[in-house]
Amino acid sequence: GAVVSQHPSRVICKSGTSVKIECRSLDFQATTMFWYRQFPKQSLMLMATSNEGSKATYEQGVEKDKFLINHASLTLSTLTVTSAHPEDSSFYICSARDGTSGDTGELFFGEGSRLTVL
Amino acid sequence: GQNIDQPTEMTATEGAIVQINCTYQTSGFNGLFWYQQHAGEAPTFLSYNVLDGLEEKGRFSSFLSRSKGYSYLLLKELQMKDSASYLCAVMDSNYQLIWGAGTKLIIKP
Repeated sequence: GAVVSQHPSRVICKSGTSVKIECRSLDFQATTMFWYRQFPKQSLMLMATSNEGSKATYEQGVEKDKFLINHASLTLSTLTVTSAHPEDSSFYICSARDGTSGDTGELFFGEGSRLTVL
Repeated sequence: GQNIDQPTEMTATEGAIVQINCTYQTSGFNGLFWYQQHAGEAPTFLSYNVLDGLEEKGRFSSFLSRSKGYSYLLLKELQMKDSASYLCAVMDSNYQLIWGAGTKLIIKP
């Protein structure tokens, strides 16, 4: 089946630094990728929808200048947490939908990236 | 507003059957998904229902009633590895997924 690869799986950084997380669709073209944040024992919170070749659509309350999203190709989207602070520590998950399946196709998830900001 | 309700936690015995319910109120409906998520891992797809009725896939089955805004996930012959959170998600009229908070399923020997 389709696979979405997310890297790195774990990252620890110092406060004030920036961290980039990559999300790749390995065997399908993903015109749309989604970035989620999940706090312990809570549901997924959609941060933004990333469309290939255009600007990402951010959900209300998500700072676009802090969480930079780039979807430069049909198989790669990146999330950069800029000037990270301890409150940004969380589990970040990307997902992608096979573009050939239309809007109702199965959503495939990356493995997730656990960010810890010291 | 949009709302997905599912129980916070359930406990069941190995080898038994458990049903996890999900009720929803969304602006439009384009399908309902069930995902399994083990602690510290990303969700994995279990099922997708867009028409009323029961979809069976091995030990897992998912049921949908659109008129009642209701779905359930049925797990048979429970195994210890089934201990996980089960997330219900509904795709609304804008094709956005609205997520429930998840049901933590605890399997006891």
